Amino acid sequence: QQQVKQSPQSLIVQKGGISIINCAYENTAFDYFPWYQQFPGKGPALLIAIRPDVSEKKEGRFTISFNKSAKQFSLHIMDSQPGDSATYFCAARSFNTGTASKLTFGTGTRLQVTL
Amino acid sequence: GAVVSQHPSWVICKSGTSVKIECRSLDFQATTMFWYRQFPKQSLMLMATSNEGSKATYEQGVEKDKFLINHASLTLSTLTVTSAHPEDSSFYICSARDQRTGGLPQHFGDGTRLSIL
Repeated sequence: QQQVKQSPQSLIVQKGGISIINCAYENTAFDYFPWYQQFPGKGPALLIAIRPDVSEKKEGRFTISFNKSAKQFSLHIMDSQPGDSATYFCAARSFNTGTASKLTFGTGTRLQVTL
Repeated sequence: GAVVSQHPSWVICKSGTSVKIECRSLDFQATTMFWYRQFPKQSLMLMATSNEGSKATYEQGVEKDKFLINHASLTLSTLTVTSAHPEDSSFYICSARDQRTGGLPQHFGDGTRLSIL
């Protein structure tokens, strides 16, 4: 199963609050889990990524929490700012030795940070 | 950082014409590039994997003759939408893997908005 399930579909957070986006997967062959941020009319930009041998990774205000046994991972945005308003996609990569490994994307979360 | 450039960023054309979109890795070599399609408020759907010097690998349901992919050099892949129709209108995004970093992370271009009248 190649699906990556993402929730919520949309999220409204007040400035300074914490934004939390969750993803779940089934394929245990996934070995790399990035989060991308996309602004309207632009391509996705890598935000932060984690491998399954690490339970948490933090870069500035962005943190990935990874639960390998539950096959879930989440993105936490601390001190959310209006400039964080964008669509966020989780993704997972399955490595194939015979063919190019590919990213499977979640359905996306539209985040709006209000003043 | 690694930069992927797409051109054009926006194109409007009449139904029945063919449109070519270019994807370039500006400061790295990419043996593999990917082409995605994104409809409004939806996720990215992989269309095909482009390999330098060989035929592209298309995802199930993607018409090979409709979406022609050429990856003639380590820095350039092109997607040609042949005989485009209004239903082909979408946001097309390319991505490239940097050989120097083992292919991760995957770098994305800023997309091409295609509108077919």
